Amino acid sequence: AQSVTQPDIHITVSEGASLELRCNYSYGATPYLFWYVQSPGQGLQLLLKYFSGDTLVQGIKGFEAEFKRSQSSFNLRKPSVHWSDAAEYFCAVGPRDSSYKLIFGSGTRLLVRP
Amino acid sequence: ETGVTQSPTHLIKTRGQQVTLRCSSQSGHNTVSWYQQALGQGPQFIFQYYREEENGRGNFPPRFSGLQFPNYSSELNVNALELDDSALYLCASSSSGGPLNYEQYFGPGTRLTVT
Repeated sequence: AQSVTQPDIHITVSEGASLELRCNYSYGATPYLFWYVQSPGQGLQLLLKYFSGDTLVQGIKGFEAEFKRSQSSFNLRKPSVHWSDAAEYFCAVGPRDSSYKLIFGSGTRLLVRP
Repeated sequence: ETGVTQSPTHLIKTRGQQVTLRCSSQSGHNTVSWYQQALGQGPQFIFQYYREEENGRGNFPPRFSGLQFPNYSSELNVNALELDDSALYLCASSSSGGPLNYEQYFGPGTRLTVT
């Protein structure tokens, strides 16, 4: 079955520490891949996207993500977390089936310790 | 560049009533998608509109319907509201053509509470 999995419900890191949020997908063909961030009571902001080509993609706010085909993963990373990064992070896939829908994972809530 | 806007911000309705939510797409975008986000979950795709026609639909009943207007703005209508319809409703806009349909930019959402 097609699915998007974010295995970590909550992650807590100290300010200035590095961060990696995990995302795995299960689809027949490599989908389009996205990471979004949602602050409390807000809509979703697109951090970065992967369509094809270079497997390491850079996004806004100092985030990057690496696509690994062999692991069906698209993990989000940041070398040094700021307190303002505390939010909910969603991985999303866009199946290459002309359905035009994004399928979201269940999200990972990031808490930042001062 | 104007982002995606939605109205109203919050809404409280009674079970069985009907509701209309509105969305204005980001400038330069001609496609609008709607999502439902229940508390503590990721957004679920409702449908997408392009050229004023439904362009794809998720697993939602027919009482969820939509419109797109010539200026690319859109409405989401929900009839016969149920308690489970309480959620944040998100509108997203995108350009058309291949992966651009999927590169979606979201508005702030409308929080609907059904009592």
